[in-house]
Amino acid sequence: AQSVTQLGSHVSVSEGALVLLRCNYSSSVPPYLFWYVQYPNQGLQLLLKYTTGATLVKGINGFEAEFKKSETSFHLTKPSAHMSDAAEYFCAVAPHNAGNMLTFGGGTRLMVKP
Amino acid sequence: DAGVTQSPTHLIKTRGQQVTLRCSPKSGHDTVSWYQQALGQGPQFIFQYYEEEERQRGNFPDRFSGHQFPNYSSELNVNALLLGDSALYLCASSLGGTGAYEQYFGPGTRLTVT
Repeated sequence: AQSVTQLGSHVSVSEGALVLLRCNYSSSVPPYLFWYVQYPNQGLQLLLKYTTGATLVKGINGFEAEFKKSETSFHLTKPSAHMSDAAEYFCAVAPHNAGNMLTFGGGTRLMVKP
Repeated sequence: DAGVTQSPTHLIKTRGQQVTLRCSPKSGHDTVSWYQQALGQGPQFIFQYYEEEERQRGNFPDRFSGHQFPNYSSELNVNALLLGDSALYLCASSLGGTGAYEQYFGPGTRLTVT
């Protein structure tokens, strides 16, 4: 069975500072990897995904994530936080034989201070 | 394109009752997945419908059932409601197949069981 752990249920950064949200997965084989964002009272929106190929993945809104197989990690970063980045972020995995059946982590709430 | 729509937005039910939630997928999508998101947690996969059949199912009891119609819209039914069923129910649509196709999420239905 696959599982996802997001370290830090709450992360606070200052506007303009680096954003780093951590995600580790447990799976017998490397799965597909995703990051989703959820704004208040809205559904989830895909930020980026890793399937195969280049391990550094660029997504929307300036976010990127790097797949590190040896560390079973897929951390999300953004060089400079903006107030509009304040939201809940979810890391998710899916097996290769069911790429749209997602297992989510518990989420990290990102707060951006002015 | 209206995206994924869900109805109703909010719902209050009493323990033991039954509830039906509805979802219309994004135009062109033929696969609908349902997720339960308890307060402060990540979404959990309930089941997925493709070609009017349940294709994948998560770890949810038989009280949770669904249906997909020829126009790809879907219903989630929950019988014998428990207090623990209170959650945000998210519908996501995507293309069929097992690839890591992007899932588009609706805004959800907030179910409160009293």
